[in-house]
Amino acid sequence: DQQVKQNSPSLSVQEGRISILNCDYTNSMFDYFLWYKKYPAEGPTFLISISSIKDKNEDGRFTVFLNKSAKHLSLHIVPSQPGDSAVYFCAANDAGGTSYGKLTFGQGTILTVHP
Amino acid sequence: KAGVTQTPRYLIKTRGQQVTLSCSPISGHRSVSWYQQTPGQGLQFLFEYFSETQRNKGNFPGRFSGRQFSNSRSEMNVSTLELGDSALYLCASRTDRGMGYTFGSGTRLTVV
Repeated sequence: DQQVKQNSPSLSVQEGRISILNCDYTNSMFDYFLWYKKYPAEGPTFLISISSIKDKNEDGRFTVFLNKSAKHLSLHIVPSQPGDSAVYFCAANDAGGTSYGKLTFGQGTILTVHP
Repeated sequence: KAGVTQTPRYLIKTRGQQVTLSCSPISGHRSVSWYQQTPGQGLQFLFEYFSETQRNKGNFPGRFSGRQFSNSRSEMNVSTLELGDSALYLCASRTDRGMGYTFGSGTRLTVV
């Protein structure tokens, strides 16, 4: 039962263009969402998060959009840079419940930004 | 500010052995979570500790256990290792009220 899904295993984008990574979830109890970036043999690095009381959060080149009715969120990276090439994970948490410390992760999307 | 430190970085064990992995959280972080990453299953939650108490546990067999010490450092133990336990084991810490989970670089366990 995969409660968080990233349906695109990979995404290829030209430098300077927009990268859009998508994530869907099924558990309506999730109320906090995070995006992480990961390089091989390293731990995930936190990028940006959003609470379910918001529909958008921005941090520099990164913007996360949340559509609760569709149970869908997306990460926009503008402009994309070659250094953004990595695996991106979407994660969700039931912050208001008893899911202490438990993040449910998607399977990840490999982003490649070409110079 | 030091990050989350996991030791060792790499480990090779034989089937049937047991292993202990260590995690030192960021200073002031009292919550420590553990995750297993494998190519087939992705990142899976193992358990979470806060103030030496396990508050949450994922769907892993009893061979996987953990503990947390009074200084918030945590260890996880896997007994009777199986080939399928080969994975990257990640530790994450945060303040209890904060939502920002910071991950360590992980311990790569290979079971042969």
